[in-house]
Amino acid sequence: NAGVMQNPRHLVRRRGQEARLRCSPMKGHSHVYWYRQLPEEGLKFMVYLQKENIIDESGMPKERFSAEFPKEGPSILRIQQVVRGDSAAYFCASSLQGLTEAFFGQGTRLTVV
Amino acid sequence: KNQVEQSPQSLIILEGKNCTLQCNYTVSPFSNLRWYKQDTGRGPVSLTIMTFSENTKSNGRYTATLDADTKQSSLHITASQLSDSASYICVVSASILNTGFQKLVFGTGTRLLVSP
Repeated sequence: NAGVMQNPRHLVRRRGQEARLRCSPMKGHSHVYWYRQLPEEGLKFMVYLQKENIIDESGMPKERFSAEFPKEGPSILRIQQVVRGDSAAYFCASSLQGLTEAFFGQGTRLTVV
Repeated sequence: KNQVEQSPQSLIILEGKNCTLQCNYTVSPFSNLRWYKQDTGRGPVSLTIMTFSENTKSNGRYTATLDADTKQSSLHITASQLSDSASYICVVSASILNTGFQKLVFGTGTRLLVSP
């Protein structure tokens, strides 16, 4: 049983481009969480999804950011028209149910040039 | 407001020594508390998870305590090794009432450096 898989591990985008970050949860897990970590800072909650539902998006910027977790396939965090301030590590975690252990992926490091 | 505060922010100890990291939280309604270890450039890895009724839990050289009355937790590392150098993150889970879902509230972490 593979762990939480995130890809790509590293992503470079020019200002104004779109970034798509993928997260495949552990097998059987239907809950996915996305976090952003700026250099030298802690993890900040962005969004919590269950299959085909957004449970909590209180940490998501109102513009340019969106997330989905379709019935089939990975969860996608999409950042449109990226800016330099979007450069960060984006971590995904998954859990079997709502209150159980959350396991983290290795993150995607986004660099906006 | 749900918050998790950790202290110290950073710590340097000599290899072989013990250390204790602190976590205070104001998260409600409390579901469980976890300690994660995050190596530089890697994702967090769970060390322990404790529910309301658990006071202490060990995982090898790591021992976590929880005082639900004072809303404090500590992580004690015994006989430190160079590989213990990492950030240690306290995470408190708050259940979202009547939903079966949780919200994970992260502390900013303690950066530990174990020096030879």
